Amino acid sequence: SQQGEEDPQALSIQEGENATMNCSYKTSINNLQWYRQNSGRGLVHLILIRSNEREKHSGRLRVTLDTSKKSSSLLITASRAADTASYFCATEGYSTLTFGKGTMLLVSP
Amino acid sequence: GAVVSQHPSRVICKSGTSVKIECRSLDFQATTMFWYRQFPKQSLMLMATSNEGSKATYEQGVEKDKFLINHASLTLSTLTVTSAHPEDSSFYICSAARLELETQYFGPGTRLLVL
Repeated sequence: SQQGEEDPQALSIQEGENATMNCSYKTSINNLQWYRQNSGRGLVHLILIRSNEREKHSGRLRVTLDTSKKSSSLLITASRAADTASYFCATEGYSTLTFGKGTMLLVSP
Repeated sequence: GAVVSQHPSRVICKSGTSVKIECRSLDFQATTMFWYRQFPKQSLMLMATSNEGSKATYEQGVEKDKFLINHASLTLSTLTVTSAHPEDSSFYICSAARLELETQYFGPGTRLLVL
């Protein structure tokens, strides 16, 4: 079953704005990962945050994890048209990796 | 809707044997299917992209003759790990997309252990 649920399902913003996507899950996890997918292409790994971490940065990406609320957020700052893609969270528990349904992000020039 | 299944969920095999993993879209037709593998404590890595009726496109570093992919119908893609070795032990996950521009739906994954 897919326990990661991204929110919103779709997001449309202008270049330069920040984009925030949320992910909620239900069971205990070892880590949570964010991926992006360009149209028709495979997933690309963006960032992994472990269950004992609360925040992580990578370039224009900032990921937070709140294990008490079983939620994570992905923030993309100063968005660009090239950031247009679908973004998935995936939770890793005991020997399983479960993906959410994704958030489609559209960044308009 | 949009359910993707994989079979088997777990498989243990001896070194040198071949293992076939099936990926099925249960309630939709998938023009494109993706195959990924994940090593313990690492992220998912794309292995290949398969389109129904055509040859799969493999990512750099993935051996075509080692990992045979067949996408014979709009609801089924298979990954065959040929002459499996212990280093092939991994978690394999597939995903399927209705159309090129649509989102992917993921299968539950197959855990392969080669002894």
